[in-house]
Amino acid sequence: GDSVTQMEGPVTLSEEAFLTINCTYTATGYPSLFWYVQYPGEGLQLLLKATKADDKGSNKGFEATYRKETTSFHLEKGSVQVSDSAVYFCALKDGYGGSQGNLIFGKGTKLSVKP
Amino acid sequence: EAGVVQSPRYKIIEKKQPVAFWCNPISGHNTLYWYRQNLGQGPELLIRYENEEAVDDSQLPKDRFSAERLKGVDSTLKIQPAELGDSAVYLCASSLGLGLSGRPEQYFGPGTRLTVT
Repeated sequence: GDSVTQMEGPVTLSEEAFLTINCTYTATGYPSLFWYVQYPGEGLQLLLKATKADDKGSNKGFEATYRKETTSFHLEKGSVQVSDSAVYFCALKDGYGGSQGNLIFGKGTKLSVKP
Repeated sequence: EAGVVQSPRYKIIEKKQPVAFWCNPISGHNTLYWYRQNLGQGPELLIRYENEEAVDDSQLPKDRFSAERLKGVDSTLKIQPAELGDSAVYLCASSLGLGLSGRPEQYFGPGTRLTVT
């Protein structure tokens, strides 16, 4: 079945450092891809998304490009802030059968940014 | 606009006891989801409702879990009896109904953290 694999955490960075969180997926067909963020004590929030190959999603300085050839959707940010400390989840939305539209999540990567 | 509301936020029970979680979705959202998030894992779908109909409950452990959404708005997820392995965060999410472009964004509540002792 469809699945998402993302890099193990935790990731600890200093403020203004460059961030990459790797995400690869396995899917039949052409899923939509997402990054969700979960701040401490809060629910999951959609950070960005891409619906087809070569699309780039971006929000709040974060970017991710849908790479069909490498089945990847890596999250990047050029300069992280302390306020970016959270758990980041890569997810896909499959598009076949009765589960059309259900989100499948990776395990999450905890990011801690130190001042 | 209010987001997805869940209660309680935290619940501690002994094994074999029953427990129930409540969710109030965003107004106008026809689709409601219940997820379970184990420690260190991503959320996993338990059940999805379209209005009051459960259209995907394939991952719901039906021997002890049940859910309802009687009027197509609020929903309750119940576990009876609870087991130690049920300790997790239970998330509710909602979205607008299916449109021509497929399912739109899901909005998540803060979750209920269940601890079974």
